[in-house]
Amino acid sequence: NAGVTQTPKFQVLKTGQSMTLQCAQDMNHEYMSWYRQDPGMGLRLIHYSVGAGITDQGEVPNGYNVSRSTTEDFPLRLLSAAPSQTSVYFCASSYARNQPQHFGDGTRLSIL
Amino acid sequence: AQSVTQLDSQVPVFEEAPVELRCNYSSSVSVYLFWYVQYPNQGLQLLLKYLSGSTLVKGINGFEAEFNKSQTSFHLRKPSVHISDTAEYFCAVSPPSGTYKYIFGTGTRLKVLA
Repeated sequence: NAGVTQTPKFQVLKTGQSMTLQCAQDMNHEYMSWYRQDPGMGLRLIHYSVGAGITDQGEVPNGYNVSRSTTEDFPLRLLSAAPSQTSVYFCASSYARNQPQHFGDGTRLSIL
Repeated sequence: AQSVTQLDSQVPVFEEAPVELRCNYSSSVSVYLFWYVQYPNQGLQLLLKYLSGSTLVKGINGFEAEFNKSQTSFHLRKPSVHISDTAEYFCAVSPPSGTYKYIFGTGTRLKVLA
């Protein structure tokens, strides 16, 4: 049972490049979320989804896009990377809103 | 809007001493409350959760937390810490209905000293 799998683990981009952070879960969870973690700021919600085809914005959505075509996958897209998006990104999933979230190991992203 | 405050960014404590990590929240509606732990270079893992019922909640690794509605607090405690408890701890809230927006506190780094 893999749980929540994030790829890649590390990535370096140049300003203006685009990329997709992948997130997959094998627990049939309906709820999925993307967070970014920055020193002293905790985890901030970027986007979330409550099921296939349903997504919504979180606290810091600007510069990021998501889609949810299947229950398993929830990719996060950076269309034009900026240095301010240098961060550690976590994907999480949950069976229900009163159940804990299961986290991936994170993607460390640096934008030069 | 909901918010979570963890006033202590760092807490040093000697091994086998008790510890309390503080969490206060603000919400106009009832919420679910969670504590997570993050070890270096890993994702977050659940320590415990409060949904309803008994205000004293027991979690893994000997941790417990008490929900206090009047003070809107959910402090985390452990009577005797170990070196292996050194990690960052996050308090989080989630609304039981409406938008699914988990809000995390800024974290408390617990450092257990030998």
